[in-house]
Amino acid sequence: DGGITQSPKYLFRKEGQNVTLSCEQNLNHDAMYWYRQDPGQGLRLIYYSQIVNDFQKGDIAEGYSVSREKKESFPLTVTSAQKNPTAFYLCASSIGTHYNEQFFGPGTRLTVL
Amino acid sequence: DQQVKQNSPSLSVQEGRISILNCDYTNSMFDYFLWYKKYPAEGPTFLISISSIKDKNEDGRFTVFLNKSAKHLSLHIVPSQPGDSAVYFCAASKGQDDMRFGAGTRLTVKP
Repeated sequence: DGGITQSPKYLFRKEGQNVTLSCEQNLNHDAMYWYRQDPGQGLRLIYYSQIVNDFQKGDIAEGYSVSREKKESFPLTVTSAQKNPTAFYLCASSIGTHYNEQFFGPGTRLTVL
Repeated sequence: DQQVKQNSPSLSVQEGRISILNCDYTNSMFDYFLWYKKYPAEGPTFLISISSIKDKNEDGRFTVFLNKSAKHLSLHIVPSQPGDSAVYFCAASKGQDDMRFGAGTRLTVKP
């Protein structure tokens, strides 16, 4: 059963702590993405990766970090430098980055207390 | 800099009628447009797409229209069903660049 998994679905952290959100796909897609969704706003791109061991910043990369050591995995770390980390985080993947729809995971809701 | 705009945050229609969701964009270099559907607490799912060489694409009850001169696209759902109630996002991209999403329109289809 191919797809994208994100874990956990809900995550709570204390302010000042780093937290890593998991994203795994078994679709054999080359490209992977992280988005953030806030109420009343569209999806904003944090980071994306077109190939293993390579990634680029999106519009709102400050306070976040990623790695792409394996094709199927693209974890996102929300660092203490992110000023407003409470949000719904979505991971996606696509075959390539051009003329290809993205497949999304179920999302992780992060709440920083 | 919001390059993709969905100016209607919500839309309510009666079951069986047509739903029309609108989207405007500012970047004339966008050449690929998509619509996604999203239920609460889930990730968006791809619905339909259109490339800039076309002005219409149809898939069952869903049709997307693209007006390049007006930088406007719309999604028509006919006939609307209660299960279509969700948030709809339009998205646009150019070349290898990242995709830009609108803020979404919440569609409610009343039985």
